[in-house]
Amino acid sequence: QQQVKQSPQSLIVQKGGISIINCAYENTAFDYFPWYQQFPGKGPALLIAIRPDVSEKKEGRFTISFNKSAKQFSLHIMDSQPGDSATYFCAARESASKIIFGSGTRLSIRP
Amino acid sequence: DAGVIQSPRHEVTEMGQEVTLRCKPISGHNSLFWYRQTMMRGLELLIYFNNNVPIDDSGMPEDRFSAKMPNASFSTLKIQPSEPRDSAVYFCATGSRGGFYNEQFFGPGTRLTVL
Repeated sequence: QQQVKQSPQSLIVQKGGISIINCAYENTAFDYFPWYQQFPGKGPALLIAIRPDVSEKKEGRFTISFNKSAKQFSLHIMDSQPGDSATYFCAARESASKIIFGSGTRLSIRP
Repeated sequence: DAGVIQSPRHEVTEMGQEVTLRCKPISGHNSLFWYRQTMMRGLELLIYFNNNVPIDDSGMPEDRFSAKMPNASFSTLKIQPSEPRDSAVYFCATGSRGGFYNEQFFGPGTRLTVL
């Protein structure tokens, strides 16, 4: 059973465009929602995170939008660059330590 | 800080052999996680430790898999006997339990190929 559902599986965006990745969850006990970025041959690394009492968090070109009532959240990458090409994972914290990851989105930015 | 250290980085073995993956956490981190990543199943949590104690091993696929953390600076994931379907990238991640933003820091991974 997938506790955090992520879409799309892959995404191609033109340079300068907006990349949008969506996630949905069921467990209302999740209390922290991070996004991780993974480059080929590397481990995932924390990109940005949000608490459920906040509707939006922005860090540079990266923004998380959070809809608590719909149990959905999304990552927006503005002015997408070729260097943003990577796999992105949404996640949700289940307990003090345990984080549940989504299935990942492979993002390719076309120059 | 050197970050999370994993060894070996690549392992090729034959079916039936024992495989041991190693992880050295970031100093001071008291949570350690073992993940497996495949194209089909994505990133799966296998087991995690807090203060060297296994907390949740529900993700360990079967008895062929075992993990230990004998001290705060070392953990192993063992597969015995290995099978071709165990081929994957295995990540170790560590974090500090406590505080709200408990970021997990991932190692570079071990790419395991079982022939």
